[in-house]
Amino acid sequence: DTGVSQDPRHKITKRGQNVTFRCDPISEHNRLYWYRQTLGQGPEFLTYFQNEAQLEKSRLLSDRFSAERPKGSFSTLEIQRTEQGDSAMYLCASSLGDRRMNTGELFFGEGSRLTVL
Amino acid sequence: SQKIEQNSEALNIQEGKTATLTCNYTNYSPAYLQWYRQDPGRGPVFLLLIRENEKEKRKERLKVTFDTTLKQSLFHITASQPADSATYLCALRAVWGYSTLTFGKGTMLLVSP
Repeated sequence: DTGVSQDPRHKITKRGQNVTFRCDPISEHNRLYWYRQTLGQGPEFLTYFQNEAQLEKSRLLSDRFSAERPKGSFSTLEIQRTEQGDSAMYLCASSLGDRRMNTGELFFGEGSRLTVL
Repeated sequence: SQKIEQNSEALNIQEGKTATLTCNYTNYSPAYLQWYRQDPGRGPVFLLLIRENEKEKRKERLKVTFDTTLKQSLFHITASQPADSATYLCALRAVWGYSTLTFGKGTMLLVSP
């Protein structure tokens, strides 16, 4: 078990470009979460998947953001037409759980730091 | 609106003392509360979970209390060490629905030798 891995760890892009982040969760975990964190703030929820189904999405999430988990394993988070305000650390986490039981800790990856110039 | 409040000012203590961090919340009926540790540039790491029907939980030098009447959790680190210096995040998950884990802003702890 290598834990949650995220790629790339760092990404610098120009405003208006599209970026994609990948997350590989712990293999037996059925839940996968994306969070965003800016300096001095706690992680802010973006979206989460149970297996391949996207069950919840933050109301704050712009239409420029899209996430997929096509086979219930790895996930991608794409940001289209990036803006400077998108600069943040994008954190992926995974956990075990089912629809009725909101239990268990989250296992976070090391994050993907995005800088939009 | 729902709020989770943690002291934004860093807590500075001397090695060997007990550190106490506070997490207050409003407009939540949490099923449980969790504490995480986060080092600079790293992802958060889970420390402890306490359920709504539990008053206190311990793990080695860590202790968490949960008072649903006061809507407050206290996180204690006894015999603190410089290696305990980090940001500590409180997180809540509400009882119903698919609501996910919501984090506070965290409190930075600095333990000096």
